[in-house]
Amino acid sequence: AQTVTQSQPEMSVQEAETVTLSCTYDTSESDYYLFWYKQPPSRQMILVIRQEAYKQQNATENRFSVNFQKAAKSFSLKISDSQLGDAAMYFCAYSPNTGNQFYFGTGTSLTVIP
Amino acid sequence: KAGVTQTPRYLIKTRGQQVTLSCSPISGHRSVSWYQQTPGQGLQFLFEYFSETQRNKGNFPGRFSGRQFSNSRSEMNVSTLELGDSALYLCASSLGQPLGNEQYFGPGTRLTVT
Repeated sequence: AQTVTQSQPEMSVQEAETVTLSCTYDTSESDYYLFWYKQPPSRQMILVIRQEAYKQQNATENRFSVNFQKAAKSFSLKISDSQLGDAAMYFCAYSPNTGNQFYFGTGTSLTVIP
Repeated sequence: KAGVTQTPRYLIKTRGQQVTLSCSPISGHRSVSWYQQTPGQGLQFLFEYFSETQRNKGNFPGRFSGRQFSNSRSEMNVSTLELGDSALYLCASSLGQPLGNEQYFGPGTRLTVT
């Protein structure tokens, strides 16, 4: 069974600084997809970034980038130049290439300190 | 494009009753997935419907069922409600093919069972 682990229940970062959120996953498959979603207090889940496992290049989206280590089954999210609006619960998710279901980690609550 | 909508947003039911939740996906999306979110268990996959057929199913009892209509709108039904069914129910829509596409989430339905 696929499992996704986020070992940091809470993180904090000073505004304009950089923070890295950790995620590891367990799978026996070689082809899959990984995602980071953000859930602000309003509760609407928003996609932050997406990574295809067969691509070695790490995905980036503006201030957000990932460090994808396939062999280590690690998928961390780096947020640069943190802004107050980045404060939210961040979820790491895994989706197999054999189905459309997502398996989520337990989330990391990020606080941005002004 | 309008986003994913869910109705109702809030619901209070009594143990033993049944409930039906509705989800309207983004126009053109053929896949609808349902998730249960609780503080204790996090986000758990319930099932996914694609072109009116259940394509994937999570590990939930048969009291949880769903269906999808020809316009891709989906309903989720929970029969014989238990206190532990109190949760935020999220639906997410995606193109459905190819696999691995982003899922767009609705705001959720907050179900309270008393």
